[in-house]
Amino acid sequence: SYELTQPPSVSVSPGQTASITCSGDVLGGKYASWYQQKPGLSPVLVIYKDNRRPSGIPERFSGSNSGSTATLTISGAQAMDEADYYCQAWDSSAALFGGGTKLTVL
Amino acid sequence: EVQLVESGGGLVQPGGSLRLSCAPSAFAFSNYWMTWVRQAPGKGLDWVANINQDGTKKFYVDSVEGRFTISRDNTKNSLYLQMSSLKVEDTAVYYCARYPDSGGWWLDYWGQGILVTVSS
Repeated sequence: SYELTQPPSVSVSPGQTASITCSGDVLGGKYASWYQQKPGLSPVLVIYKDNRRPSGIPERFSGSNSGSTATLTISGAQAMDEADYYCQAWDSSAALFGGGTKLTVL
Repeated sequence: EVQLVESGGGLVQPGGSLRLSCAPSAFAFSNYWMTWVRQAPGKGLDWVANINQDGTKKFYVDSVEGRFTISRDNTKNSLYLQMSSLKVEDTAVYYCARYPDSGGWWLDYWGQGILVTVSS
């Protein structure tokens, strides 16, 4: 079965750039999406179709997807960006999620 | 504002059954694929099941195939997840979520989630 792999944790200093990766077999041939989840809350879509931002998502969130790796980039990370982030792709009529990455801003 | 509101969760014994409901509002429910996603305590997101617009296509993760049934009633604007033969490992917060009507395979709106606890 298809699997998406994310690092368990990423740390970034405020104002710096955070990159969270998501790896999967030929992931670049699929569309990758990213969700932000803060404690006790539902996931929120922050990137879809590899690099598109839903309305209301700050410009500091961007995405890319090529080869076997999709990347979520947060430019100028803020304390409010501290959260769990999940990548997601579609395969065989299923929405598959990566294991999640905890982003710490400190 | 688009909203999805889940209900029907609670405590159930192993081997028992439970039916979750999801009530959508502020969008044309019958035009959208819908899904259930769950999250075990302290764990990541796990896709559970998909259903197409008219309910004729349904897909499940292997671990719930044969035990869970996703369904919808477009006349009542409701999405359901019938869960039977529940196991301790089914304990999770269950979210209903919506795929966009543009044909994309991401989830643009999520409910607040409902907790299902399977325990004796």
